[in-house]
Amino acid sequence: NAGVTQTPKFRVLKTGQSMTLLCAQDMNHEYMYWYRQDPGMGLRLIHYSVGEGTTAKGEVPDGYNVSRLKKQNFLLGLESAAPSQTSVYFCASRPTGKDYEQYFGPGTRLTVT
Amino acid sequence: KQEVTQIPAALSVPEGENLVLNCSFTDSAIYNLQWFRQDPGKGLTSLLLIQSSQREQTSGRLNASLDKSSGRSTLYIAASQPGDSATYLCAVGSGTYKYIFGTGTRLKVLA
Repeated sequence: NAGVTQTPKFRVLKTGQSMTLLCAQDMNHEYMYWYRQDPGMGLRLIHYSVGEGTTAKGEVPDGYNVSRLKKQNFLLGLESAAPSQTSVYFCASRPTGKDYEQYFGPGTRLTVT
Repeated sequence: KQEVTQIPAALSVPEGENLVLNCSFTDSAIYNLQWFRQDPGKGLTSLLLIQSSQREQTSGRLNASLDKSSGRSTLYIAASQPGDSATYLCAVGSGTYKYIFGTGTRLKVLA
């Protein structure tokens, strides 16, 4: 199993450009999450999904959109990038139930200039 | 609103020392609690998961405890090694789906 993979690993955008981050998991997990990690702020939840075709807002959803058209993929879109969106983005997934851990991808480092 | 705090923000200890990392949360109605390790520039690796009905979990030299009534969890690391140097994060399951993270404790174990 590859686990949770993220594409791309690094990206530099100019203000106003758009891009999509791809998260893929091969563990048949129902729940998927997008977080951002900033120095001194910890990880903050952007959006999450509890199953194929569902999405919901987390703590910091503004400026981002998501889609979960297939169970194994969770896409995070930035329609018009801003310097405040410079961050490291992590995707995670987990099965349903209290017993199960979150599994994280390696992260995408995004810089918006 | 659930808030999660980890103190201290950084810790430096000599090799071989036993140590305790702290995680505090404000709302005791938690789903579960997970401890992670993060190496510089890397993703998060799960260490231990404690369900809300459990008091502790152990894995090798690691032991995590949970006291919901006082809003605290501790991660105990026995006989620390330089390879344990990393940032340790706790995440509180708040509701069925969401997790709230602390800002982490950066640990350095000196050889």
